[in-house]
Amino acid sequence: SYVLTQPPSVSVAPGQTARITCGGNNIGSKSVHWYQQKPGQAPVLVVYDDSDRPSGIPERFSGSNSGNTATLTISRVEAGDEADYYCQVWDSSSDHPFYVFGTGTKVTVL
Amino acid sequence: QLQLQESGSGLVKPSQTLSLTCAVSGGSISSGGYSWSWIRQPPGKGLEWIGYIYHSGSTYYNPSLKSRVTISVDRSKNQFSLKLSSVTAADTAVYYCARATTSEYFDLWGRGTLVTVSS
Repeated sequence: SYVLTQPPSVSVAPGQTARITCGGNNIGSKSVHWYQQKPGQAPVLVVYDDSDRPSGIPERFSGSNSGNTATLTISRVEAGDEADYYCQVWDSSSDHPFYVFGTGTKVTVL
Repeated sequence: QLQLQESGSGLVKPSQTLSLTCAVSGGSISSGGYSWSWIRQPPGKGLEWIGYIYHSGSTYYNPSLKSRVTISVDRSKNQFSLKLSSVTAADTAVYYCARATTSEYFDLWGRGTLVTVSS
């Protein structure tokens, strides 16, 4: 089955840039979506189709995807960005296609 | 504004069947172009997709859970349901219902409900 690997944690100072990677075999050929999850809350979509933002999501959130790595970038990090972040793809490459989530990254704002 | 709300038993005994329902409000579950999923998250762990159903009733399940999962839809009540049989402690998790678009991302989630498997 398809595996998406994320770093367990990323630490960043306020005002700086956080980059969260999502590694997968030839992930650049897939559409990658990103979710933010704060403690005790449901995930919220922050980036879809590699780099598009849903309405209401700040422009500080951006995404890219190429080769074997997709990246979620959070610019000008704020305290409110502290959360877990998950990447997600639809893996249709096998006889049993299904939704795959990354392992998750905890972003800590110092 | 479409909303999803999970409901069901919060405590299930080992070997029994977990049953949850997701009520869809503010819109119709029969609207084309969407699928309706169940996703779970064990305490302190990541997200795992369980399966989905279309308004037509067609379903698709995570192969790792397929033998124990049934997802159904009740269009008259505008809701869909999850049954997970032969549960063990490993099935303890927060269970979310969610809507996926044709671009295969989840744009709408319920708040989630904690199900604990314990005797």
